[in-house]
Amino acid sequence: DAGVTQSPTHLIKTRGQHVTLRCSPISGHKSVSWYQQVLGQGPQFIFQYYEKEERGRGNFPDRFSARQFPNYSSELNVNALLLGDSALYLCASSSDPSQSYGYTFGSGTRLTVV
Amino acid sequence: SQKIEQNSEALNIQEGKTATLTCNYTNYSPAYLQWYRQDPGRGPVFLLLIRENEKEKRKERLKVTFDTTLKQSLFHITASQPADSATYLCALDPTSGTYKYIFGTGTRLKVLA
Repeated sequence: DAGVTQSPTHLIKTRGQHVTLRCSPISGHKSVSWYQQVLGQGPQFIFQYYEKEERGRGNFPDRFSARQFPNYSSELNVNALLLGDSALYLCASSSDPSQSYGYTFGSGTRLTVV
Repeated sequence: SQKIEQNSEALNIQEGKTATLTCNYTNYSPAYLQWYRQDPGRGPVFLLLIRENEKEKRKERLKVTFDTTLKQSLFHITASQPADSATYLCALDPTSGTYKYIFGTGTRLKVLA
């Protein structure tokens, strides 16, 4: 079985642009969460979706938005990119929305804003 | 304020020794706590989960303890190997049902051959 897949793996954008990151969860997993990891820090929670509904939102500005599709894949959108948005964006899937069985993470999308 | 702290400095140990990593938290009452391994440029990999009513959990050479009174979890790797070199992250749910997992900054472990 394929793990959590994220695309693209790397991305370079200019300040002010928009970006869309994509995630396909493990087959059968209905919960998808997005995290931002800045170099040297732990992942920071952005969003969680379960059955296409937003179940949690972290302390990120409205420039960040996400959605989950009927096949449980997900997109993270970031508008008006800032230099500080440069980070590794991680998608994690779980069969249990409370994640009491642990996340399975993808390898991430490395976003560089110049 | 709410915090989750791990040893910020790298931990270097000799092969074969036991590595012990610490995760301390304040102002949270987590129902469970998780440990992950992260290699450079990769996503974290789930290792172990321990619930608030469990004192200790083991998986092969890994052992996790959870002391809700001290608000601390210890992560042990026995008979450490160079392949265990990585960053180890602890994560907790701040309050059951919020779905907002909080991660520590991680401790970088280097096992020397």
